[in-house]
Amino acid sequence: GAVVSQHPSRVICKSGTSVKIECRSLDFQATTMFWYRQFPKQSLMLMATSNEGSKATYEQGVEKDKFLINHASLTLSTLTVTSAHPEDSSFYICSARALADSYNEQFFGPGTRLTVL
Amino acid sequence: KNEVEQSPQNLTAQEGEFITINCSYSVGISALHWLQQHPGGGIVSLFMLSSGKKKHGRLIATINIQEKHSSLHITASHPRDSAVYICAVSPYPKLIFGTGTLLAVQP
Repeated sequence: GAVVSQHPSRVICKSGTSVKIECRSLDFQATTMFWYRQFPKQSLMLMATSNEGSKATYEQGVEKDKFLINHASLTLSTLTVTSAHPEDSSFYICSARALADSYNEQFFGPGTRLTVL
Repeated sequence: KNEVEQSPQNLTAQEGEFITINCSYSVGISALHWLQQHPGGGIVSLFMLSSGKKKHGRLIATINIQEKHSSLHITASHPRDSAVYICAVSPYPKLIFGTGTLLAVQP
């Protein structure tokens, strides 16, 4: 099956620093990648939809200047949490949808656990 | 009311038992997904279905589009099946997630 990787898997940073998370589709081209956030014991919440070569579409309530998304190629999207604060500590998961997929099958990455001290 | 409802929220079973997790939704969809999330967080896609029934090993997923209902069955459950099972529906292009069912299978 299709494989999506994320890096890093775990990161601890100081408040005020920026953290970049990479999401890669390893064996397929992804026109669209999705970024989710999951707080403990809660379901996944969509943060933004990222289309290759265009600006990301953010969900209501998600600050686009704080969560910078870049989708520079068909296999790579990055999420940068700028000036991170403890309340940004969460589990961040990306997913990718293959070219010409009309059923919205998404392949999920393993997630990145961010802890902001 | 959530657009995707799962039941039960928590389920404890003995090894070998037959398990059923239910998902009801209220929106029009193009497909329904069953996902598995283990402790540590990584998500695995188990099934994507738009009609009928699919089987993979000990897992069976069914969907009734008219009733807007899907079930995930696990036959001969095993402790390694312990995880959170999430139902997600696809009113293209987004996914809407249920809150998940925490399954614990005891030896």
